[in-house]
Amino acid sequence: DAGITQSPRHKVTETGTPVTLRCHQTENHRYMYWYRQDPGHGLRLIHYSYGVKDTDKGEVSDGYSVSRSKTEDFLLTLESATSSQTSVYFCAISATGMNTEAFFGQGTRLTVV
Amino acid sequence: AQSVSQHNHHVILSEAASLELGCNYSYGGTVNLFWYVQYPGQHLQLLLKYFSGDPLVKGIKGFEAEFIKSKFSFNLRKPSVQWSDTAEYFCAVNDGSDYKLSFGAGTTVTVRA
Repeated sequence: DAGITQSPRHKVTETGTPVTLRCHQTENHRYMYWYRQDPGHGLRLIHYSYGVKDTDKGEVSDGYSVSRSKTEDFLLTLESATSSQTSVYFCAISATGMNTEAFFGQGTRLTVV
Repeated sequence: AQSVSQHNHHVILSEAASLELGCNYSYGGTVNLFWYVQYPGQHLQLLLKYFSGDPLVKGIKGFEAEFIKSKFSFNLRKPSVQWSDTAEYFCAVNDGSDYKLSFGAGTTVTVRA
């Protein structure tokens, strides 16, 4: 398996609190992605990064921000958690963004109460 | 933005039956195409991929897929399923415009012994 670690693996938080999820990779891949997985919706892209300090929005970016200060770490922050952000969050990495596969982390199950 | 459609939400089969899952995408340019599988409680794993060349690609565990450019389709097939193929299957497309990896909503496959 590719060297991807997501932390925490499980989290319960209260509405209105900020939450940060971490994705750490040891593969030195350039591209990193954050997805959320919800029943009936598959995986939806939140944000992605194509290099250190280079990020862009995905299809469901409202309420989320990201940062990438080092190649190996990609942080996803829920600025003020809402119940609609209860989901399973997956991080993925890709070496070149094209003509290469993406590898996925184990996921973080987030519950907002 | 890329759109990926999976035609079946839930497929129920008996062991030894043949499986075909449909996938269509919207982007007309150069694309990378993938099928990922997610076993219960696990992260996504790559089944197979298409970058270029032979439009019939073979993956792991006896799966294959056919890329038909004129139909914007990348359908997944397996001639004879096993109980262990019970999982959720995702089609994904990466295009050359922005390197975003977009997923379909997924198909849940249940194989009955």
